[in-house]
Amino acid sequence: EVQLVQSGAEVKKPGESLRISCTGSGYSFTSYWITWVRQMPGKGLEWMGRIDPSDSYTNYSPSFQGHVTISADKSFSTAYLQWSSLKASDTAMYYCARRVGSSSALDSWGLGTLVTVSS
Amino acid sequence: DIQMTQSPSSLSAFVGDRVTITCRASQSISSYLNWYQQKPGKAPNLLIYAASSLQSGVPSRFSGSGSGTDFTLTISSLQPDDFATYYCQQSYSTPYTFGQGTKLEIK
Repeated sequence: EVQLVQSGAEVKKPGESLRISCTGSGYSFTSYWITWVRQMPGKGLEWMGRIDPSDSYTNYSPSFQGHVTISADKSFSTAYLQWSSLKASDTAMYYCARRVGSSSALDSWGLGTLVTVSS
Repeated sequence: DIQMTQSPSSLSAFVGDRVTITCRASQSISSYLNWYQQKPGKAPNLLIYAASSLQSGVPSRFSGSGSGTDFTLTISSLQPDDFATYYCQQSYSTPYTFGQGTKLEIK
């Protein structure tokens, strides 16, 4: 069974750094891109960026470029999303998802990591 | 970025109704269009990929159509489990933007 297991909820202060994780199992981790999606409270889905775990090549949405970093460690079948300086506006649920096939649809999703940034 | 616009933003319907949700892209995206269902407090779930292909395990009452800029998601006979928010997503060019969502509620 394909699973993406995300790290637990985080509460941080503005200006702090953070790295959340997404560990894949039940499939060849390096064969499928991992995408990160943001969902702010009560809002819709936003595509943040993606990574090819086989070589760590990344694409970012211009809306998130420079504010987050997506990385992966294929030896641990884990992708990461990190911030060097959080803002209150980063408060959201963050999902990782597996991209599949030529359609680039997201066929398996993690349960999400809730990040709360508050002073 | 390609803008995705869904209509309506919200919809009330009865169990058993046939429902159609529309998604329009700001430029042609061929058939690179996916549909997701999201229930409160849950991760999204892929329903339709490549505009009209039913994801494995998804009930056949869900169907998708369209190409170019205009797409539809149809639920042929609403079931109680279908009341949720639905999102379209283009996967033609990055960033792979989502529509704003359509909230489907029980009438």
